[in-house]
Amino acid sequence: SQKIEQNSEALNIQEGKTATLTCNYTNYSPAYLQWYRQDPGRGPVFLLLIRENEKEKRKERLKVTFDTTLKQSLFHITASQPADSATYLCALDYAGNTPLVFGKGTRLSVIA
Amino acid sequence: DGGITQSPKYLFRKEGQNVTLSCEQNLNHDAMYWYRQDPGQGLRLIYYSQIVNDFQKGDIAEGYSVSREKKESFPLTVTSAQKNPTAFYLCASSLGVGTNEKLFFGSGTQLSVL
Repeated sequence: SQKIEQNSEALNIQEGKTATLTCNYTNYSPAYLQWYRQDPGRGPVFLLLIRENEKEKRKERLKVTFDTTLKQSLFHITASQPADSATYLCALDYAGNTPLVFGKGTRLSVIA
Repeated sequence: DGGITQSPKYLFRKEGQNVTLSCEQNLNHDAMYWYRQDPGQGLRLIYYSQIVNDFQKGDIAEGYSVSREKKESFPLTVTSAQKNPTAFYLCASSLGVGTNEKLFFGSGTQLSVL
């Protein structure tokens, strides 16, 4: 079965630095990969989607890369702020009437 | 305001009792989902529905039941057969399943056992 690993349960980073979160998967590559943000006690909120034929996608301070050779996606937050502190989830989308498969998430703490 | 509404926010279940979690959406989405979230476990799929009057089991369907009688509504019943029901339950919807569409989530229901 498909296995997804997000680099660590928790990541602490200093304000102003770039946070980099990793999502690795085994077996076959998804058609798309999505990233979500979840605050404590709330539902996840969609951030970005990247297709398998796209190398990189940007949205404001966020950047996502997708390397199907390494079977890995990297999620970057530049100039991080304490308000960026949350859990970030990656999700694999295989298309073809298959629901998303979520990773366990990485809890990011940005320290002022 | 368009979105997904889950109720109640907090729910307590007595042993042997069935409880139902409500999920309503006004986004005109065909697909709806129920996920369970435990600390350190991420999101696990319980059931999903691609269309009215149809639904499929997810990875952890045992001890749960659902119905999809209306497009807007996808209630989840946690039955007495679910021996470890304490968790955070999330409902979501999307235009379709496996169509590279993003999911919209509700604010969740925290279920605890008395």
